[in-house]
Amino acid sequence: DAGVTQSPTHLIKTRGQQVTLRCSPISGHKSVSWYQQVLGQGPQFIFQYYEKEERGRGNFPDRFSARQFPNYSSELNVNALLLGDSALYLCASSLAVSSGNTIYFGEGSWLTVV
Amino acid sequence: TQLLEQSPQFLSIQEGENLTVYCNSSSVFSSLQWYRQEPGEGPVLLVTVVTGGEVKKLKRLTFQFGDARKDSSLHITAAQPGDTGLYLCAGAGGNKLVFGAGTILRVKS
Repeated sequence: DAGVTQSPTHLIKTRGQQVTLRCSPISGHKSVSWYQQVLGQGPQFIFQYYEKEERGRGNFPDRFSARQFPNYSSELNVNALLLGDSALYLCASSLAVSSGNTIYFGEGSWLTVV
Repeated sequence: TQLLEQSPQFLSIQEGENLTVYCNSSSVFSSLQWYRQEPGEGPVLLVTVVTGGEVKKLKRLTFQFGDARKDSSLHITAAQPGDTGLYLCAGAGGNKLVFGAGTILRVKS
């Protein structure tokens, strides 16, 4: 079975542009979370979605938005990109939302803003 | 705000040596997870500890959850070059994981 898949794997954007990152969860998993990992730090929670509804939001500006589709895949959108948005964006999936569910990460999307 | 502090930040050791990585918080977590991350890849789950005082072993890796569920440790016996990577602890806080900054381990042959 495929794990969590993310696309694109790498991309370069210019300040002020917009970016869309995509994630497909493990088959059967209904919860998708997004994390931002800046070089030298641990991942920081951005969003969690379950059954197409937002279930949690981290301390990120409104430039960050996300959605989940009926097939449980998800997109993360970032508008008006800043240099500081350069990071590895990780998608994680789990069966449900409770803290007892194991979370599996994809390999991430490397975003460089120049 | 829940915070997890990991120490040391960086560890460089010779093959065959033992090491311990620590993860501490002032908050109580329902569970704590340890991940290993290699450059260019996402974190891979090593273990989840749930019960205070719990000890889990995974080959040469031993994980312990503190009695008060606020801290954890990862001990590696006879480290090998293949153990090189970023080790992350993460506490389950509601519907999200709170990560420490990680410990970079380099094992030299």
